[in-house]
Amino acid sequence: GAVVSQHPSWVICKSGTSVKIECRSLDFQATTMFWYRQFPKQSLMLMATSNEGSKATYEQGVEKDKFLINHASLTLSTLTVTSAHPEDSSFYICSASPGTSGRGEQFFGPGTRLTVL
Amino acid sequence: GEDVEQSLFLSVREGDSSVINCTYTDSSSTYLYWYKQEPGAGLQLLTYIFSNMDMKQDQRLTVLLNKKDKHLSLRIADTQTGDSAIYFCAESIRGNNRLAFGKGNQVVVIP
Repeated sequence: GAVVSQHPSWVICKSGTSVKIECRSLDFQATTMFWYRQFPKQSLMLMATSNEGSKATYEQGVEKDKFLINHASLTLSTLTVTSAHPEDSSFYICSASPGTSGRGEQFFGPGTRLTVL
Repeated sequence: GEDVEQSLFLSVREGDSSVINCTYTDSSSTYLYWYKQEPGAGLQLLTYIFSNMDMKQDQRLTVLLNKKDKHLSLRIADTQTGDSAIYFCAESIRGNNRLAFGKGNQVVVIP
């Protein structure tokens, strides 16, 4: 149980284009989903927290107009990197929290490797 | 606020035990977690411990929590090559559904 998928697993795009990444909780309903960014050999950096049906809460320094997050249902959240540039190249990981256990654990997707040329 | 510290690298021979350490600063943490990340993959939840516990054992994994020193450790018994990965500790805080991650500790198992 507690499986989270991400699509695509990797994407290469040209500078200036927009890229959408999907995060799905496959066997549970996620009241909250999180988007992280990870640079090589570094820890995860939380970008934003999203609750189903409401606007995402962005961490300080994360441009909300650059990284659009939509959490339209209890099983799907999307991250759109708008007008991508090479510095946006990174490993993006989502996680989902069922919110029912009281433990606050998060279950992670396999990540999406974005390369912007 | 929360701040989680980890050491960076550990090499261990197959079959030996490995111990990974982590310190945290926020005493209001309710749950502490250990996650495993293999190359190019997401994070896999290995185990967690509630803040009022001192120890938790789950098969080859033993978690020790020293609340006085805010120190968390993960012991992997009979380390296997499949245990080679980066291990992150993380803490959650009551009333806050966010996790604060340590920098990670890379474990390399030598056959």
